[in-house]
Formats: sequence, C-alpha cells, structure tokens
Amino acid sequence: ETGVTQSPTHLIKTRGQQVTLRCSSQSGHNTVSWYQQALGQGPQFIFQYYREEENGRGNFPPRFSGLQFPNYSSELNVNALELDDSALYLCASSLRGSNEQFFGPGTRLTVL
Amino acid sequence: SQQGEEDPQALSIQEGENATMNCSYKTSINNLQWYRQNSGRGLVHLILIRSNEREKHSGRLRVTLDTSKKSSSLLITASRAADTASYFCATDTSGGSNYKLTFGKGTLLTVNP
Repeated sequence: ETGVTQSPTHLIKTRGQQVTLRCSSQSGHNTVSWYQQALGQGPQFIFQYYREEENGRGNFPPRFSGLQFPNYSSELNVNALELDDSALYLCASSLRGSNEQFFGPGTRLTVL
Repeated sequence: SQQGEEDPQALSIQEGENATMNCSYKTSINNLQWYRQNSGRGLVHLILIRSNEREKHSGRLRVTLDTSKKSSSLLITASRAADTASYFCATDTSGGSNYKLTFGKGTLLTVNP
C-alpha cells in the first residue's frame, strides 16, 4: 500500500461523455502525475501537477485536463470521450525533486 | 511513445528458478527504474539505478545497467509464485525537477508452483 488512493475503481461511460477521475496523494507529497495505461501496454505520461499548476505534459490532446488542489489531491478530466480512451488511469504522487513516484491502484475506464 | 522495450514479452518459469528480464532504451537517461504490476493494478516501485551505476541489489533483485548499450536487466533469484506479475522498466529523461517516467511495454512473468 502506497497511501495513494484513487476513485472510482471502475467507470463505464459512453462516447462523447465527460469523466472526472480523482486522486489523493500520499501524505507530504506535493506533486501528482497522471498516466494512461492501455491494455497490454506500459503506462504513458499524461501530465504532472505541482503547486496547482501543470508542470509538464505528454502527447495528449487538450481534452485531457487536470487540477491540483491546495491539499495536493488531484483530478483528471477527459472531455468528449472516445473509444480509445478506454484504459487504466494511474496517478502517482511524489515529492518535487524526488526520483521515486508512488502509484495508486488506478481507475479502469471503459468507453462504450 | 514508448522509450523502453522489455524482452521477453512473456516468461514462464518454475518456482525456485531465476528470472531475467531485459530492457533497452533509446535516449540518454538520468536513471532507470523497475516496477512491478499485479493484474492490471497499481505499480510498485522495485529498484532505481542511476546512470553512473552499473549494478544494484535489493533482496532477491539484481539490476544491471549498461549505458553504452542503452540496456538494463532485472534478475529475480529463487522466484516464488507471488512474483507472478508484469514487470516494467521506466526511464527518467527529464531535466530539472520535472520527473516524467517513460515506460516500456513490460514483461509478463509467470512463476509456476
């Protein structure tokens, strides 16, 4: 157990809908990163948040957006869902400047 | 895009045997990390090796890094059924304090009792 929690565990949406995924960081961690893991693939970096601002972004379109709150928890929002958005979404918390990221259990999103 | 490529994609061994997984990457790195993932759940950090290190041990794990060949290997000795999982290498290529991990596709290890 890393102390990083994510909700919900599973989610089913239809194409075109919007979804919000939530992540609570491990105590004391001020940085949150989000990753998308398609079936049979490794995780891919979506973006990172530090001090409530985006601090680096991977190759994902603007319909993927995020928020970080003063308590360092975070949200990932995806608009206009597409079938290819079906994946396991992982958040990871860390201390800024640290190499090690602590991952949550993930949210499995299915888009029908 | 995937930075690392693990090899083999799948590995099946008997309990007590050693398991070796390899990872190749493309660009210069600050460090390389290995993670384990059970049944599509969260990733667990196993070990980190810095670019100026060649070998590192942690319990039954041994990691080597060859920066000239841009490759790393993870050895799990005396494997157990509980080691059954997917194993990923991840490279950190970012500068400053923005640590972004780039993962490979993983090796699925099955340890048969």
